[in-house]
Amino acid sequence: EVQLVESGGGLVQPGGSLRLSCEVSGFIFRSFVMSWVRQAPGKGLEWVSAVSASGDSTYYADSVKGRFTISRDNSKNTLYLQMNSLRAEDTAVYYCAKYLVHTTHLDYWGQGTLVTVSS
Amino acid sequence: QSALTQPASVSGSPGQSITISCTGTSSDVGGFNYVSWYQQHPGKAPKLMIYFVTNRPSGLSNRFSGSKSGNTASLTISGLQAEDEADYYCSSNRNSSTLHVVFGGGTKLTVL
Repeated sequence: EVQLVESGGGLVQPGGSLRLSCEVSGFIFRSFVMSWVRQAPGKGLEWVSAVSASGDSTYYADSVKGRFTISRDNSKNTLYLQMNSLRAEDTAVYYCAKYLVHTTHLDYWGQGTLVTVSS
Repeated sequence: QSALTQPASVSGSPGQSITISCTGTSSDVGGFNYVSWYQQHPGKAPKLMIYFVTNRPSGLSNRFSGSKSGNTASLTISGLQAEDEADYYCSSNRNSSTLHVVFGGGTKLTVL
């Protein structure tokens, strides 16, 4: 059974940092591209970032470029999102998601972790 | 403002069919066949319902179907059931050379 479990969310002050983790099981993690997608309270889905299977290539939405860093540790089956210079508008539930091979379809999602940026 | 345009809400009675539209441009929906649809119940993670415009994941009900014409993709749900009440999001890639995904603003489906 495929499972993605996010952790690391919480309350942080504006300008602060947070690192999210997503531990996966049930599939060969090192073979798949992975992504982070967020959802602000009461709002729609917003793609945040993606990382290639090897970790060599990364992609970011303009709204987080230069502030967020996506990475992965294939030996630990874990995806990360380092978030710096956080703003109130970064408040959201952050989901990790797996790409269907060779596509941009997201076929498995975690349950999400809430990040709240507030003073 | 979302990259892809969806109606904010649609509704239908049990047993009826409804269609949700998703309008983009030739740079996303119209240019590629990487259109997906996701269902999201309150407080839950999104679930992939349709991929490559028309494909259903294994085990998914054939009451859900997808199509595309030009820059507009559509999700049709036939034989509406109470459990279909949820938010639905379309998505597409923006550029064939990247993994950048764009989503629609979401459509709230109400089963009357």
